[in-house]
Amino acid sequence: DGGITQSPKYLFRKEGQNVTLSCEQNLNHDAMYWYRQDPGQGLRLIYYSQIVNDFQKGDIAEGYSVSREKKESFPLTVTSAQKNPTAFYLCAIKDRGPGYTFGSGTRLTVV
Amino acid sequence: SQKIEQNSEALNIQEGKTATLTCNYTNYSPAYLQWYRQDPGRGPVFLLLIRENEKEKRKERLKVTFDTTLKQSLFHITASQPADSATYLCALRNQAGTALIFGKGTTLSVSS
Repeated sequence: DGGITQSPKYLFRKEGQNVTLSCEQNLNHDAMYWYRQDPGQGLRLIYYSQIVNDFQKGDIAEGYSVSREKKESFPLTVTSAQKNPTAFYLCAIKDRGPGYTFGSGTRLTVV
Repeated sequence: SQKIEQNSEALNIQEGKTATLTCNYTNYSPAYLQWYRQDPGRGPVFLLLIRENEKEKRKERLKVTFDTTLKQSLFHITASQPADSATYLCALRNQAGTALIFGKGTTLSVSS
């Protein structure tokens, strides 16, 4: 996926648990983004970071947290406060070109 | 607030025909608009960007138009093939200019 890696591909969470989704990039880009995708809802922005040690809330940040301690890593934690976490989660970086490059996604299911 | 609408959830066409997908936006005047392709279970892949001063842009069998008066972009795939079957998303920068916001997508199915 062009230097951006998301893991795991599938993740199962029990009610009340926090889980962390990994997003790593080796392209030395500053800006990284987390989106959530539900059927029929398109992509919705959760958090983004334009530089190390700084991040901003997107449109649906409640119940999520992030960190950006290293340029190459932008992990997303889905907390127990997120009441409906089952979704497809996508991480993206801003290319030097015009578009975004996305990872292959993590599908999270609450069991 | 900004709103992006892709007014067809699904579009079914026959192989060889031209597929036309629509993206409308409100409450915003973007400097550019982007189109992405997404296959099931995968992340979106960037296809094309068109700027506000460009009326039309082409890439192989793809053509995008951008009408800032109508606040609309049209995405055309000519001589469509079954391999073109996917979901196509349009995207704009948010008003702060800090991130992309996406439409819900149109799922195109091309039958042979």
